[in-house]
This record gives sequence, structure tokens and C-alpha cells, in this order.
Amino acid sequence: EDKVVQSPLSLVVHEGDTVTLNCSYEVTNFRSLLWYKQEKKAPTFLFMLTSSGIEKKSGRLSSILDKKELFSILNITATQTGDSAVYLCAVGNPLRSGNTPLVFGKGTRLSVIA
Amino acid sequence: DAGVIQSPRHEVTEMGQEVTLRCKPISGHDYLFWYRQTMMRGLELLIYFNNNVPIDDSGMPEDRFSAKMPNASFSTLKIQPSEPRDSAVYFCASSPTGVWSQPQHFGDGTRLSIL
Repeated sequence: EDKVVQSPLSLVVHEGDTVTLNCSYEVTNFRSLLWYKQEKKAPTFLFMLTSSGIEKKSGRLSSILDKKELFSILNITATQTGDSAVYLCAVGNPLRSGNTPLVFGKGTRLSVIA
Repeated sequence: DAGVIQSPRHEVTEMGQEVTLRCKPISGHDYLFWYRQTMMRGLELLIYFNNNVPIDDSGMPEDRFSAKMPNASFSTLKIQPSEPRDSAVYFCASSPTGVWSQPQHFGDGTRLSIL
């Protein structure tokens, strides 16, 4: 069964800290790994990773994928209270018959306090 | 540019009642997805459509759940009869291609409470 495991489940940091969120996966026919940020409502897209070792960056957020060790990390530097959210990791697996195309982890709840 | 639109935003009803959730995807998106989110199980895919055709409904929990997409701009998820364990946030999402090449865009969700 395809599986995505995120750690830690929750994290509390102070503004200005750097955080690293982890996502490990077990899925056949891996195609892509996606990170989403969910505040009060809908998840919003952050990154899609398909190749190992290539860092994707957007402002203070960055992410990298290791397809050999089957994990990804999401880094947030100089955290702000607006970064408080649940961060979701999902893995795309379109080829396995009868399987869902996107499996989500349960998320990491990040709280940034002033 | 309008995003994915879901209605209603909140629904509270008694068990045994029929519940219908609605979704309008982003225009031009060929894929539509229905998800359910709970604290215990996280975000789970229920069913997805490609060009209005259901492709994979293996996530639909049981026969009480059904989904339709009569045209490219509208989909419904129906629960009949509803039970308290169906209480969750239901999200609709759409994407222009398969999720493995383009990210999904999510609606704001319907918070469903079955009493």
C-alpha cells in the first residue's frame, strides 16, 4: 500500500527560526512529490519535485527531493507568524491500476510565535 | 480569475438526510477531484474525473456516497443516507492535466456536520 509519512506532526518555533519539515514515502511508480500549505481553508500549492537533488526555491521556502532514500524536506528560513499552517506532502502515482493518483501525508502543523 | 467554487460552505444536518455538495472547477481544467479531510485520516481522495468521466472511485467509502459530473463546469457529491461519521471537510480540486505534471487547485471546502 502506498504511504506518505510526515514528521514531525507538529512544531512550535519562534519568529526568525529556521525549520525543516520531513516527508518520506513508499510508492510504486513514483512520478512526483508535491508540497502544499494549508491555513484555514484550502491547501495551496508550494512546490512540485520530480528530480533528485534539484532544489526548488520560493522566497524563504525551499525544498529538495531524494529519490534514492525516498524522502523530501521543506525548509523555511527566518520564519514569520504568517508561516503558521499545516504543511502537506503528497506523492503522485498515476500508473498503478486502481490506485489513487495522489496520496497525502497527514501533515505537519507549524506554529510560529512572536 | 475564479478559482474552484464549492457550495455550501457549511452544512449541518441530521443523520439519515441526503446531503449534496457542489463544485465548479476552474474553466479549462480537465481533471476534477473530490477529497475528504478529517483529523484522524488526513486528506483522502474519494473519486476523480477526467473529461467528466469517473476514472477511479476506489476511495469512495461505501454505496451511500455517489458523485456525478454532468458537464465540464459542474460536479456533485451526494451522501444518502448521511451518518455522523461522514462529518468532515470535503474539498473539490481541479487541474489542467494529471496531478503528476500539474498541481491541483483546491476549493475552500464544505464543512459537513451530521448530527
